[in-house]
Amino acid sequence: GESVGLHLPTLSVQEGDNSIINCAYSNSASDYFIWYKQESGKGPQFIIDIRSNMDKRQGQRVTVLLNKTVKHLSLQIAATQPGDSAVYFCAETSGGSYIPTFGRGTSLIVHP
Amino acid sequence: DSGVTQTPKHLITATGQRVTLRCSPRSGDLSVYWYQQSLDQGLQFLIQYYNGEERAKGNILERFSAQQFPDLHSELNLSSLELGDSALYFCASSVGLKAGAEAFFGQGTRLTVV
Repeated sequence: GESVGLHLPTLSVQEGDNSIINCAYSNSASDYFIWYKQESGKGPQFIIDIRSNMDKRQGQRVTVLLNKTVKHLSLQIAATQPGDSAVYFCAETSGGSYIPTFGRGTSLIVHP
Repeated sequence: DSGVTQTPKHLITATGQRVTLRCSPRSGDLSVYWYQQSLDQGLQFLIQYYNGEERAKGNILERFSAQQFPDLHSELNLSSLELGDSALYFCASSVGLKAGAEAFFGQGTRLTVV
């Protein structure tokens, strides 16, 4: 099937900076997108989601942007903290499926 | 703590062997999902059970099988193990059929096949 992928495998930032993690998807029928955070030794944890009828959604310190024209998704983390260090995955569903297809992940490293 | 419990945390076994991974979902959750996470394939959906019935199937090998019991816990059976089966195996659970924002993941079982 079609896949979800990530532009950057590793992102290093300084504490306090804003982080942007990007994700490209290939399925034009994708209608629901999710970002997960996976800390070392733990399972993925839901961060934020967005439906295809929206182009922006904000949470606490996080914002997801969706550009359907170029099939691009991004996760913005404001004032990045050392506790944000983790692997971030984007995922998508399409065609009435309730099971997300995961991208390969980006490792975010926050330097104090 | 997500409330999803997986045992064992670590498992080392030899090629050709069979293992069983166990998952206890969050209280009240009817769906259980199994995922495989390997270095070269990322997180791959294997199978979903809902209230004891198989609901969705992903990239699950014929050597693998799963079931969900009346108390809603689930087991993933991996047989004729190969080196390439070494991976993290995650279980997730949700109240209904949706595995997006509504699903919570366990901490995983790390399987090493030697």
